[in-house]
Amino acid sequence: DADVTQTPRNRITKTGKRIMLECSQTKGHDRMYWYRQDPGLGLRLIYYSFDVKDINKGEISDGYSVSRQAQAKFSLSLESAIPNQTALYFCATSGGKGDTGELFFGEGSRLTVL
Amino acid sequence: GDSVTQMEGPVTLSEEAFLTINCTYTATGYPSLFWYVQYPGEGLQLLLKATKADDKGSNKGFEATYRKETTSFHLEKGSVQVSDSAVYFCALSRTGGGNKLTFGTGTQLKVEL
Repeated sequence: DADVTQTPRNRITKTGKRIMLECSQTKGHDRMYWYRQDPGLGLRLIYYSFDVKDINKGEISDGYSVSRQAQAKFSLSLESAIPNQTALYFCATSGGKGDTGELFFGEGSRLTVL
Repeated sequence: GDSVTQMEGPVTLSEEAFLTINCTYTATGYPSLFWYVQYPGEGLQLLLKATKADDKGSNKGFEATYRKETTSFHLEKGSVQVSDSAVYFCALSRTGGGNKLTFGTGTQLKVEL
């Protein structure tokens, strides 16, 4: 089983719908991140959390919200999806004992907003 | 703010050719530098890293040297294989920044027989 699991892997929705992308990890890491990937733009940070009580905005947080339900779970919500939120979304984790600075990524959630 | 610039792709090479993917960065202080690789349909995984000037990161035949004087971290491999076909991302993180990464735009590599 993957250490960082994202659900759903693929989702097609309509403009205005609420969408939640979920991320869970079994690595025991305290830090979790949400990135989006767009062709030609690389990955950009949406939100990050260094522990359950710590939530921080990244460079492109507008239109998104997050919830850190537990150390192992970090969800990303789009309250009212719009077409330019069509992208590939990645959850990542880091930290823990022997932290080397490496981020560990999930396999991604492809979201299409029509 | 911090930024990473890498060469645009796609880069198409024949098997056993020499690979260079250029990466330069802008950051204050002394960031750590990374190369991540994304194989088709997968998430990113760390390929190599360097945490201080003149460090060389290496893995799977790939190498990159942290050059502070030129603010560069170019990725090289002496002989590429078809299995190296992927998207390569250069990234940096600031010391004390909580491992938040700033990524370049990615370079797609296609290796043909």
